[in-house]
Amino acid sequence: KAGVTQTPRYLIKTRGQQVTLSCSPISGHRSVSWYQQTPGQGLQFLFEYFSETQRNKGNFPGRFSGRQFSNSRSEMNVSTLELGDSALYLCASSLGGTTPGELFFGEGSRLTVL
Amino acid sequence: AQSVTQLDSQVPVFEEAPVELRCNYSSSVSVYLFWYVQYPNQGLQLLLKYLSGSTLVESINGFEAEFNKSQTSFHLRKPSVHISDTAEYFCAVSDDGGATNKLIFGTGTLLAVQP
Repeated sequence: KAGVTQTPRYLIKTRGQQVTLSCSPISGHRSVSWYQQTPGQGLQFLFEYFSETQRNKGNFPGRFSGRQFSNSRSEMNVSTLELGDSALYLCASSLGGTTPGELFFGEGSRLTVL
Repeated sequence: AQSVTQLDSQVPVFEEAPVELRCNYSSSVSVYLFWYVQYPNQGLQLLLKYLSGSTLVESINGFEAEFNKSQTSFHLRKPSVHISDTAEYFCAVSDDGGATNKLIFGTGTLLAVQP
């Protein structure tokens, strides 16, 4: 059974640019969550999508957005990049039931903003 | 809002010694608790979880954690660690009683096992 796949694994952007990150969940999983991991702030929840609908959102500015497609694949987009957006972006998938289950994380997309 | 405190940023320990990684959370009516482990250059993996029932939960690789409601704690323990246990460990709590998969993570504890 394939795990959670995130692409690209590494990328470098400059301030002001935008970036799109992709996440393919485990087959059969309907929930996809996104987290930002930085040395200073740790792991912070960005948003969760379930059956193409945003089910929850963290405290991030509107520059951070996401979506989920009918096949459960998800993308997140960051516009007008700032230096502070440099981070490891982790995607996690789960079955998405009414009680929190096991989150399966991908290896992440490491974004560097210059 | 929920919060999670991991007091120890790093715990050095010798191989085969016991270890305890501490985790405290803010009180809530209904709480679900998790420990995740992150090996170098990898994503997080669920180690164990408390949803309900027995307050002592165990993982397949010898770790255990005990939910203590009165002390709002969920400490992680292992009686004898191995070099391969070297990793960062994150305690997490469900922020909304399980309605979604939003988790609040602690800042992590680096377990450094020395030979």
